[in-house]
Amino acid sequence: AQTVTQSQPEMSVQEAETVTLSCTYDTSESNYYLFWYKQPPSRQMILVIRQEAYKQQNATENRFSVNFQKAAKSFSLKISDSQLGDTAMYFCAFMYRDDKIIFGKGTRLHILP
Amino acid sequence: KAGVTQTPRYLIKTRGQQVTLSCSPISGHRSVSWYQQTPGQGLQFLFEYFSETQRNKGNFPGRFSGRQFSNSRSEMNVSTLELGDSALYLCASSLAASVEQFFGPGTRLTVL
Repeated sequence: AQTVTQSQPEMSVQEAETVTLSCTYDTSESNYYLFWYKQPPSRQMILVIRQEAYKQQNATENRFSVNFQKAAKSFSLKISDSQLGDTAMYFCAFMYRDDKIIFGKGTRLHILP
Repeated sequence: KAGVTQTPRYLIKTRGQQVTLSCSPISGHRSVSWYQQTPGQGLQFLFEYFSETQRNKGNFPGRFSGRQFSNSRSEMNVSTLELGDSALYLCASSLAASVEQFFGPGTRLTVL
């Protein structure tokens, strides 16, 4: 069974700093999708970034980038130049083909002014 | 384009009652998934519907059921409510299961 682990329950960083959120997963599959979702205090979950496992290049979306290490089954999220609006719960998630999405427990990120 | 809507946003029920939650997906989206979010268990997959058929199901008891209508709107029903069913129930829609899911704001269910 696939599992997703986020080892940092909570983190705080100063505005404008760079922060990295960790995620590891376990699967025996070779083709799958990985996601980072953001859930701000307003509760609307939004997709931050997506990575297809067959792509070696790390995905990037503006200030958000990932470090995808397939062999190590690691999928960390880096937020550069962090902003107050980045304060949220961040979930790492895994999906294999059209199966259900499996979420990690989440990391609560606080951006401090 | 309107986003995913969920009704009601808040609900208070007592043990033993049943509840029905509704989700309207983004226009054109045929896949609807439901998740339960609690502080202790995090986000857990309930089930996914595609073109009115349940395609995937999570590990929840039979008290949790759902359905999808021809217009892709989906409902989730929980019968014989228990205190542990108190949670935020999230609905997400997508064009197909392998691409981005768009989440609704959720329904906060409190069971007293």
